[in-house]
Amino acid sequence: TQLLEQSPQFLSIQEGENLTVYCNSSSVFSSLQWYRQEPGEGPVLLVTVVTGGEVKKLKRLTFQFGDARKDSSLHITAAQPGDTGLYLCAGGSNYKLTFGKGTLLTVNP
Amino acid sequence: NAGVTQTPKFQVLKTGQSMTLQCAQDMNHEYMSWYRQDPGMGLRLIHYSVGAGITDQGEVPNGYNVSRSTTEDFPLRLLSAAPSQTSVYFCASSYRGPDRAGYGYTFGSGTRLTVV
Repeated sequence: TQLLEQSPQFLSIQEGENLTVYCNSSSVFSSLQWYRQEPGEGPVLLVTVVTGGEVKKLKRLTFQFGDARKDSSLHITAAQPGDTGLYLCAGGSNYKLTFGKGTLLTVNP
Repeated sequence: NAGVTQTPKFQVLKTGQSMTLQCAQDMNHEYMSWYRQDPGMGLRLIHYSVGAGITDQGEVPNGYNVSRSTTEDFPLRLLSAAPSQTSVYFCASSYRGPDRAGYGYTFGSGTRLTVV
C-alpha cells in the first residue's frame, strides 16, 4: 500500500505571509496531484505533476515534484484569506488515488 | 455542464437499512470511483470502475456494492448499514492521460451519511 504523509497537519498564518506544505512518500508515484477542499464541498483539482523535478505555477501557488517522484511541495506566496481550506495531495493512476490526510490552512486577515 | 452530481446530499439511516447513493457525470469520462472521507483518515477508495460493466474493489470495499451499466452512472449501494459507515462519501470521474496520470479528476459535492 502506497502511503502519503502530509505536513504540517494544521497551519494558521496572517494574510501576506508565505507558506509551504509538504507531501512525502517512501514509494514512487507516476504522478501526484494537489487538491483544495472547502467545507461541505468535494476536493477541487489544482494541478497534476508527472515528471520528476517538474515545477508548475498557478498564480501565487507553486507546485514541485521531487526528482525521485516520491515527494511534492506546494508553496503559496502572499497568502490571502481566500486561500483558506484543506489542501490534499494524492498519487495514483488514471482511475484510483491514494490521498494524504491533508493540511488545514487558515489565513487570517 | 453539471460535472459530477451526487444525490442525496444528506441521509440518516438506521442500522441494518439499505440505500443507494447516486452518482452521475456528464463529461463522458471513462473512469469513475467512490471515496469516503473520515476525520483523521483522509479520503479512502471504496470501489472504482474503468468502464461500463467493469468494476473493482478499492481499499475499503466491505459493506458496499457497485455496478456500472452506463458510462454516466455509478451508484454505490450500502447493503446493511452500520454505524461504522457514517462518513462523507464522494464520487469522482476522470479520464486517461497520455502518461498514465489521471486527468480531469472531478469530484461531486458529497453525500453526508449518518447511521444510527
